Amino acid sequence: EVQLVQSGAQVKKPGESLRISCKGSGYSFTSYWITWVRQRPGKGLEWMGRINPSDYYSNYSPSFQGHVTMSVDKSINTAYVQWSRLEASDTAMYYCARHIVASTRTHDYWGQGTLVTVSS
Amino acid sequence: DIQMTQSPSSLSASVGDRVTITCRASHSITSYLNWYQHKPGKAPKLLIYAASTLQSGVPSRFSGSGSGTGFTLTINSLQPEDFATYYCQQTYGTPFTFGQGTKLEIK
Repeated sequence: EVQLVQSGAQVKKPGESLRISCKGSGYSFTSYWITWVRQRPGKGLEWMGRINPSDYYSNYSPSFQGHVTMSVDKSINTAYVQWSRLEASDTAMYYCARHIVASTRTHDYWGQGTLVTVSS
Repeated sequence: DIQMTQSPSSLSASVGDRVTITCRASHSITSYLNWYQHKPGKAPKLLIYAASTLQSGVPSRFSGSGSGTGFTLTINSLQPEDFATYYCQQTYGTPFTFGQGTKLEIK
């Protein structure tokens, strides 16, 4: 069974750093990209970017470029997104999703979400 | 960036109704269009990919159509579990933008 299991909720202060994770299981982790999606409170879904676990190539939405960094540890089938300096506007639910690059180009399995709260 | 515009932004309907949600792309995205269902506190769920292909396990009352810049999601015979927010997303070119969502509520 394909699963993406994300790390737990986090409460941080502005200016702090954070890394959240997404662990894949039940499939070949390096055969699918991982996408990250943000949902701010009361708002819609926003595509942040994606990373290829096979070669670590990543590309970001311009809205997130330079503010977050995506990474992967292939040895433990885990993808990460990290912030070096959080802002209050980063308060959101973050989802990872498995991304099929060829053919359908869709996102077929999703993690349960990680709630990040940034508040002083 | 490719802009995705969904309409309506909200919709009230009754169990058993047929509803249609529209998604328009600012540029042609051929058929690289996905539809997701999202319920509060849950992960988004893929319903339709490639504009009209039903994801495995999704009930056949859901259907999608369109190509180029205009797409529709139709739900026949609404069931209680269908009340949720629906998003379209283009995966033609990065950034893979979503529509703003359509909240489907019980009338």
